[in-house]
Amino acid sequence: AQSVTQLDSQVPVFEEAPVELRCNYSSSVSVYLFWYVQYPNQGLQLLLKYLSGSTLVKGINGFEAEFNKSQTSFHLRKPSVHISDTAEYFCAVSPKTNAGKSTFGDGTTLTVKP
Amino acid sequence: EPEVTQTPSHQVTQMGQEVILRCVPISNHLYFYWYRQILGQKVEFLVSFYNNEISEKSEIFDDQFSVERPDGSNFTLKIRSTKLEDSAMYFCASGVRPTGELFFGEGSRLTVL
Repeated sequence: AQSVTQLDSQVPVFEEAPVELRCNYSSSVSVYLFWYVQYPNQGLQLLLKYLSGSTLVKGINGFEAEFNKSQTSFHLRKPSVHISDTAEYFCAVSPKTNAGKSTFGDGTTLTVKP
Repeated sequence: EPEVTQTPSHQVTQMGQEVILRCVPISNHLYFYWYRQILGQKVEFLVSFYNNEISEKSEIFDDQFSVERPDGSNFTLKIRSTKLEDSAMYFCASGVRPTGELFFGEGSRLTVL
């Protein structure tokens, strides 16, 4: 079984400031890792994914994440946020042997203030 | 850009009624999923579907739930006798293994009164 912990339920930040949304996971099997974003009244959209290879992955909208196997973390970062980045962000893991059955974290609400 | 579409966007029903939520996955995808998100809670896996059969289901997906792919394009979730606790946003997703990334629809909000 897998579990995902998003360490911050809410992250307020000023526009153009850097942000980090933290995600830790546990799993007894190898997993793929994902970050999804959910804008108000919309579905979830894939931001980025880690499948294998380089531990630093880049996604859409200037976001990136770093996979740290020893710390079982997959933190999401952006060097300079915009008002439009205000949304709910979900970290998710999916076992490689059953990809698609994802376990999600509770979500982090990112609020970007002017 | 291809997308997953879901209907209805919002459905209100009385407890005990049957509900069918519909989804049109991305056309070249072969794996289909239903997830749900109760208000204020995390997104939860319900069921996965491949090759015209359920490949996996969660504890939530009991005998009241069923899925079907009646033709080449639609993927439906049926709840036979709705309960108050079935009120949630239901997301359809499709994907291509082995990467596991999911393409979600915008959701169907179900309100059971």
